Amino acid sequence: EADIYQTPRYLVIGTGKKITLECSQTMGHDKMYWYQQDPGMELHLIHYSYGVNSTEKGDLSSESTVSRIRTEHFPLTLESARPSHTSQYLCASSESVNYGYTFGSGTRLTVV
Amino acid sequence: GQNIDQPTEMTATEGAIVQINCTYQTSGFNGLFWYQQHAGEAPTFLSYNVLDGLEEKGRFSSFLSRSKGYSYLLLKELQMKDSASYLCAVRAGGYNKLIFGAGTRLAVHP
Repeated sequence: EADIYQTPRYLVIGTGKKITLECSQTMGHDKMYWYQQDPGMELHLIHYSYGVNSTEKGDLSSESTVSRIRTEHFPLTLESARPSHTSQYLCASSESVNYGYTFGSGTRLTVV
Repeated sequence: GQNIDQPTEMTATEGAIVQINCTYQTSGFNGLFWYQQHAGEAPTFLSYNVLDGLEEKGRFSSFLSRSKGYSYLLLKELQMKDSASYLCAVRAGGYNKLIFGAGTRLAVHP
């Protein structure tokens, strides 16, 4: 059973719209991550957080922003969506350095 | 720089054994992970190596050589449901950040 939830699962929106992708976990993990993955390609880290009120940009430049006001919630926001933002967005969390990630089911975003 | 290499695609027969290789060059190393990802789904954790040697978990085993920057995932008694992408990921740097390879798409045939 997944303990990390992403909504929506699929989203099609128009260019210029503001959107927020939701990610919540019930495991009490401090560390949370957002990855972007194009079909057949590697996952690229775009944001991460190591606790409440602490967020950092990842290795892949992204026009999105994140917030971490509560341990369990790590939403990602695009202020003005563009077709180049079309991708799958995966949220993950981890307990400690000795454990792997638990991934959410992902949000497949299409910007038209 | 950071670089993780895996073969793009592999095919194998049901019941056989397949080895998926991964080589990496990263600034810093603090563990290597293997994930399985079925098409359209999220990755799921398979194995973790931080010391040299073989880790066995049922039909799946993973090997690491830190001096060679090399790992492999060994899948035994292949089943059709093992058809998926297998992602090699290296933890390098702080905050448990993982760097992923592009994945190896494995097709298992009857």
